[in-house]
Amino acid sequence: DTAVSQTPKYLVTQMGNDKSIKCEQNLGHDTMYWYKQDSKKFLKIMFSYNNKELIINETVPNRFSPKSPDKAHLNLHINSLELGDSAVYFCASSQNVGEETQYFGPGTRLLVL
Amino acid sequence: GENVEQHPSTLSVQEGDSAVIKCTYSDSASNYFPWYKQELGKRPQLIIDIRSNVGEKKDQRIAVTLNKTAKHFSLHITETQPEDSAVYFCAASTGNQFYFGTGTSLTVIP
Repeated sequence: DTAVSQTPKYLVTQMGNDKSIKCEQNLGHDTMYWYKQDSKKFLKIMFSYNNKELIINETVPNRFSPKSPDKAHLNLHINSLELGDSAVYFCASSQNVGEETQYFGPGTRLLVL
Repeated sequence: GENVEQHPSTLSVQEGDSAVIKCTYSDSASNYFPWYKQELGKRPQLIIDIRSNVGEKKDQRIAVTLNKTAKHFSLHITETQPEDSAVYFCAASTGNQFYFGTGTSLTVIP
């Protein structure tokens, strides 16, 4: 099942570093998302993006930025990593925004030391 | 914005019994209500969804009901099996944004 893939699967890094997580979908979908899942399993949407619009959850620090080279890719860049950024980050995609099934990637487990 | 509340946060049932998870939402513009299952260490996956023009939908042992007036929807799992053990998330969508509930950890005891 490689419809939505993410790399790396695990990421361990020091506080203050800058890192990126890559996401690719081969479903031909127009919309992609990034979610953060903390230790309590809450799924919090960070961004939704299609080729027309980026919607940012206003609670997301501006250290986080999505970058989309094309509609099949949505990468997540994180600057100046903090301990509280430790979480599992999921990428997802859907045909359109909102009323469509979202297909999730396998997740990237980020640990900031 | 939309506020989705989900209860209970944890649920334990004996194998073969039924499990019910309830969600409420606040935005009357929400019109799409999916349910996702996340097994330990894996990604969330859609198990069933319902749109606002339908009151109930079934798929084998899983059913979802929607009460638009009361702004609540529920997931029903009958004849539970150990492999149903997972975290279940409800969600509501207005068409522009997706809002997930806080999750229910279901344990089915053999």
